[in-house]
Amino acid sequence: GAVVSQHPSWVICKSGTSVKIECRSLDFQATTMFWYRQFPKQSLMLMATSNEGSKATYEQGVEKDKFLINHASLTLSTLTVTSAHPEDSSFYICSARDGTPKGTQYFGPGTRLLVL
Amino acid sequence: AQKITQTQPGMFVQEKEAVTLDCTYDTSDPSYGLFWYKQPSSGEMIFLIYQGSYDQQNATEGRYSLNFQKARKSANLVISASQLGDSAMYFCAMRDNYGQNFVFGPGTRLSVLP
Repeated sequence: GAVVSQHPSWVICKSGTSVKIECRSLDFQATTMFWYRQFPKQSLMLMATSNEGSKATYEQGVEKDKFLINHASLTLSTLTVTSAHPEDSSFYICSARDGTPKGTQYFGPGTRLLVL
Repeated sequence: AQKITQTQPGMFVQEKEAVTLDCTYDTSDPSYGLFWYKQPSSGEMIFLIYQGSYDQQNATEGRYSLNFQKARKSANLVISASQLGDSAMYFCAMRDNYGQNFVFGPGTRLSVLP
């Protein structure tokens, strides 16, 4: 299957700093990528849909100025958590949609963010 | 609005036995896709199997098969010959024909006992 990488896998930062997470589709081009957040023992919560060359579409309740998304190429989308606070600590996982009619989403390994 | 229900928060199965994980869905769209993902403790989401709403046959992928009952709006995952490595969270998801987004169920935690 298609491979999606995500970097970093772990990040610990101080409150007030910004953190950038990269999501790459390694063996296919992804015009659409997704960013999810997952709390312990819960399902995935879609934060935003990232389309190459255009602005991301954010889900209701997600602050676009807080979670900056850039999809600069067909293989790379980035999520920047700006001025991170302890409540932003979570597991962030990205996915890339393949170009087939099935629209399967292939996920990266996720990033665990801990804000102190 | 679309909705996915997984009524089993947790399941236990003996190694080498088969297990069925339930998934029911609700949608008004005539065309949609159903997916199952496995999430081990490492956190990655692993794509297992896909079923299209117009597919005539139930999907199969190795030890995974999908028991698709369209009239009942159910898409249960069957894992045959369970292995210890199958212990994980399992999520059912749906995508409609017009949207790109997935709707995920709450998940079922499967524990395979030796």
